[in-house]
Amino acid sequence: DQQVKQNSPSLSVQEGRISILNCDYTNSMFDYFLWYKKYPAEGPTFLISISSIKDKNEDGRFTVFLNKSAKHLSLHIVPSQPGDSAVYFCAARRQTNFGNEKLTFGTGTRLTIIP
Amino acid sequence: NAGVTQTPKFRILKIGQSMTLQCTQDMNHNYMYWYRQDPGMGLKLIYYSVGAGITDKGEVPNGYNVSRSTTEDFPLRLELAAPSQTSVYFCASSFRWEQFFGPGTRLTVL
Repeated sequence: DQQVKQNSPSLSVQEGRISILNCDYTNSMFDYFLWYKKYPAEGPTFLISISSIKDKNEDGRFTVFLNKSAKHLSLHIVPSQPGDSAVYFCAARRQTNFGNEKLTFGTGTRLTIIP
Repeated sequence: NAGVTQTPKFRILKIGQSMTLQCTQDMNHNYMYWYRQDPGMGLKLIYYSVGAGITDKGEVPNGYNVSRSTTEDFPLRLELAAPSQTSVYFCASSFRWEQFFGPGTRLTVL
């Protein structure tokens, strides 16, 4: 049962334009969402996060939007740059008793920025 | 700070061999995790630990074992390696929900 879904395996965007990566989830108990970026032969690195009590969080060129009623979040990158070419993973945390901080990851979207 | 380090970077095993993947973090994080990533798939949790001496199974624990004798180290043991364990393995640590990942170990079982 894939509780966090990234339905687009790949996305190509022209440099300077907006990149929009999407993520859907099924578990209404998720209370915190994160985006990770991964370059080849490296581990994922944290990019941006959002709490379930918010609907938007912005950090420079990166903005994450959360629509709880639709169980959908998206990552916007504006403007897109060649260095943004990477695989992006969406992840979600389910609130449990203290001591359990597990994340559930999506399958990733490969973003390619075309110069 | 080195963050999360993993050794080795690459390894080829024969079916039935065993090995230990090493993971060390220097951020004094209580939580540590082992994931595997298969091609086209997301990260699947193998085992995790909430502190020294405490470990628990994740989604795909079969064929693996872990121990956590110190805060810093969280080795992953493969006994009787099988081709299905060919994957890239990532170790991570966290204070809360933001996890910091190591560079990964690419393991091939032939």
